[in-house]
Amino acid sequence: GQQLNQSPQSMFIQEGEDVSMNCTSSSIFNTWLWYKQEPGEGPVLLIALYKAGELTSNGRLTAQFGITRKDSFLNISASIPSDVGIYFCAGVLVTGTASKLTFGTGTRLQVTL
Amino acid sequence: EAGVTQFPSHSVIEKGQTVTLRCDPISGHDNLYWYRRVMGKEIKFLLHFVKESKQDESGMPNNRFLAERTGGTYSTLKVQPAELEDSGVYFCASSLRQTYGYTFGSGTRLTVV
Repeated sequence: GQQLNQSPQSMFIQEGEDVSMNCTSSSIFNTWLWYKQEPGEGPVLLIALYKAGELTSNGRLTAQFGITRKDSFLNISASIPSDVGIYFCAGVLVTGTASKLTFGTGTRLQVTL
Repeated sequence: EAGVTQFPSHSVIEKGQTVTLRCDPISGHDNLYWYRRVMGKEIKFLLHFVKESKQDESGMPNNRFLAERTGGTYSTLKVQPAELEDSGVYFCASSLRQTYGYTFGSGTRLTVV
């Protein structure tokens, strides 16, 4: 099956620093999504990307859908303690009437004061 | 609007027993998905409903898992009989369309002992 390689696996940064994480795939996707998961909660959608080359921002978050449709990155600027969590990329593949998300392995972010 | 609701939030059962998980999607969302995260690994697709029809159940691990969505509203996922390797967090998600708007529930943490 399809696999998404997400890196880095974990990051320990200081408050105020910028963060960058990315996902690459051997296959193309119709849509790229970035989620954040906190303990005891389900993944919460941060940013959705629908077109190759698209660059989208949501507050301090910026994400891009790669031109090849096989990769995406997420940047977080000026990190704050509440950014702590696990960030997942997910690619959406639609085939006929069916669709599914393929998730990356996640990037665990820790922010220190 | 109410989000995706999953019940129970936690379940501890003995090997060989039966467990039924329930998901109530966002009202009006025809697309309903089940995913699970086992032992800290990536979140993996189980199956996709459009209304009451199964569009893709390629991710179902074996015939001990049965998903239903009678009437196209809520869905249940039954595991019978449960095995130790079924432990993990089971997430349900719903979407208005197949390429956007995926909203996840908080998940059901299943522990098989």
